[in-house]
Amino acid sequence: GAGVSQTPSNKVTEKGKYVELRCDPISGHTALYWYRQSLGQGPEFLIYFQGTGAADDSGLPNDRFFAVRPEGSVSTLKIQRTERGDSAVYLCASSPGTGVYNEQFFGPGTRLTVL
Amino acid sequence: KNQVEQSPQSLIILEGKNCTLQCNYTVSPFSNLRWYKQDTGRGPVSLTIMTFSENTKSNGRYTATLDADTKQSSLHITASQLSDSASYICVVSAGIGYGGSQGNLIFGKGTKLSVKP
Repeated sequence: GAGVSQTPSNKVTEKGKYVELRCDPISGHTALYWYRQSLGQGPEFLIYFQGTGAADDSGLPNDRFFAVRPEGSVSTLKIQRTERGDSAVYLCASSPGTGVYNEQFFGPGTRLTVL
Repeated sequence: KNQVEQSPQSLIILEGKNCTLQCNYTVSPFSNLRWYKQDTGRGPVSLTIMTFSENTKSNGRYTATLDADTKQSSLHITASQLSDSASYICVVSAGIGYGGSQGNLIFGKGTKLSVKP
């Protein structure tokens, strides 16, 4: 069965540009999460969705970051006016629900490089 | 401040040996603690999930322990294999009440384990 997929796998952009990162969760998973992982660090929580709504967006670093999940499946993380400090691997995960024992399944990530 | 600290930062062991990785946390309110394995260039894969009422949980050669009083956890790997080479990340969920929400996960920086033949 298909796992969580993310596209593109790599994205190189210039400072100030706009980027969109896509996440396709496992079919039927209602919860979807975005994380950011810098080199040598653990993932850092950004936002999570329960269905179409953002249940917790407290991890978004500033208003340049925005995420949507309009139909409760695919999600897009949008970054405006990118900065060099945004360079990181952006991980997406999905889970069947949000109970304690609901495992999160991670995608391979999108490596974003801002020049 | 909610934090998760892991030690050692890196570890090299010989194939077949055992090892133990440590995790200390200051997260409140505590909901659950997870250990993940992350291969280079891949997303993390869950190994164990424990709530405050669970002291130990095993998954094959991996055994995690939790002491909610001292806020410490360990991951013990038995009879290591070359494929165990990866980063092992301790993650604590700061929930609201029992069960809590999965939204607020605090990740440690991981322990990079290298298993040599």
